[in-house]
Amino acid sequence: LAKTTQPISMDSYEGQEVNITCSHNNIATNDYITWYQQFPSQGPRFIIQGYKTKVTNEVASLFIPADRKSSTLSLPRVSLSDTAVYYCLVGWGGSSASKIIFGSGTRLSIRP
Amino acid sequence: EAGVAQSPRYKIIEKRQSVAFWCNPISGHATLYWYQQILGQGPKLLIQFQNNGVVDDSQLPKDRFSAERLKGVDSTLKIQPAKLEDSAVYLCASSTEGGNIQYFGAGTRLSVL
Repeated sequence: LAKTTQPISMDSYEGQEVNITCSHNNIATNDYITWYQQFPSQGPRFIIQGYKTKVTNEVASLFIPADRKSSTLSLPRVSLSDTAVYYCLVGWGGSSASKIIFGSGTRLSIRP
Repeated sequence: EAGVAQSPRYKIIEKRQSVAFWCNPISGHATLYWYQQILGQGPKLLIQFQNNGVVDDSQLPKDRFSAERLKGVDSTLKIQPAKLEDSAVYLCASSTEGGNIQYFGAGTRLSVL
């Protein structure tokens, strides 16, 4: 049963790069690692997903080491609008053997 | 492309009353999820449907919660009777069949008094 551990909160400043690490020691072979962003009064929004090595899209990068027991979400040059809760999710929704579990998330606060 | 629609956005009831939430997933999405999110916590999966069949309902309090997805499209989540601890945001999400990226609705905020 995959479960994730993330820092409860992080602070940074506009223009900085922010790295949020997630631990998932019991990740299964078929599990993907997915990150979501959630603003107040909204549902979570997909940011990025990966299986191994590095994935990059227009908003973030995801670094996954070879053992896949952790992953790091990297947000380049953050702005005030990146203030949100970020969730690391491990699982494969199509398989009953890998339950979907959201952790408590990381509350990221960006200051001017 | 229209997103996941949920209604109502807000609901206030007294304990022991009944309440129902409705979700319309993204067109063509076979998988539908209901989550409960208590203030300050991450979403907790209540039930997952694949078309109109249940994939996982292990965390659904079946003595008071029920959900259905007739015809494999819209879904309804019901609480009967409600307790104070049911106060939370109820999120609906959908994904393609075999897909593992979920698209969430804005949620229904339930307050039980």
